[in-house]
Amino acid sequence: DQQVKQNSPSLSVQEGRISILNCDYTNSMFDYFLWYKKYPAEGPTFLISISSIKDKNEDGRFTVFLNKSAKHLSLHIVPSQPGDSAVYFCAALPSTSGTYKYIFGTGTRLKVLA
Amino acid sequence: ETGVTQTPRHLVMGMTNKKSLKCEQHLGHNAMYWYKQSAKKPLELMFVYNFKEQTENNSVPSRFSPECPNSSHLFLHLHTLQPEDSALYLCASSQDEGSGKLFFGSGTQLSVL
Repeated sequence: DQQVKQNSPSLSVQEGRISILNCDYTNSMFDYFLWYKKYPAEGPTFLISISSIKDKNEDGRFTVFLNKSAKHLSLHIVPSQPGDSAVYFCAALPSTSGTYKYIFGTGTRLKVLA
Repeated sequence: ETGVTQTPRHLVMGMTNKKSLKCEQHLGHNAMYWYKQSAKKPLELMFVYNFKEQTENNSVPSRFSPECPNSSHLFLHLHTLQPEDSALYLCASSQDEGSGKLFFGSGTQLSVL
């Protein structure tokens, strides 16, 4: 059973508009969340993270929102650029001490249309 | 050279072959990981090493055998694999276990015939 779910396998957005990528999780023990971006033939690269003590974290064009009660987080990219076209993975980390098991979603392929 | 380097980038092997994947990190990190990415599936954690000691084996079949001779190098030895083992194998490192940021290599795309 998947603990981290990205229910939209793909998303297309016009350049300059907002991209919203969603992620749901089931384990209330997750307390740290990350987004990774992956281009073809490259490994995933870290994009932005958020701790469960926050509900928002912003870094330039990228903002991650966390709704703990809904067990939902989202990544907003605004304005979207063609170079943002990639696969985006959501990942979660449990708070259990001594653990390091990053749990990843299946990814959402974002295509930004020029 | 910086970051996490994986070799080879592509590997085709028969089910009776023995091969090894290599990973090297130049970031001074203490923890190294092997992940498997199959089509339409989440990245699956396979193994974790922290300060050269294996701290996690996520129920991986014994036909996958990891080796971590030092904190900078990680190997994945492969033998008698099955076609369903075909996947992208990603190596990653982090400063400490669970520090929040994983740095990934570009991966080895493995095809088992």
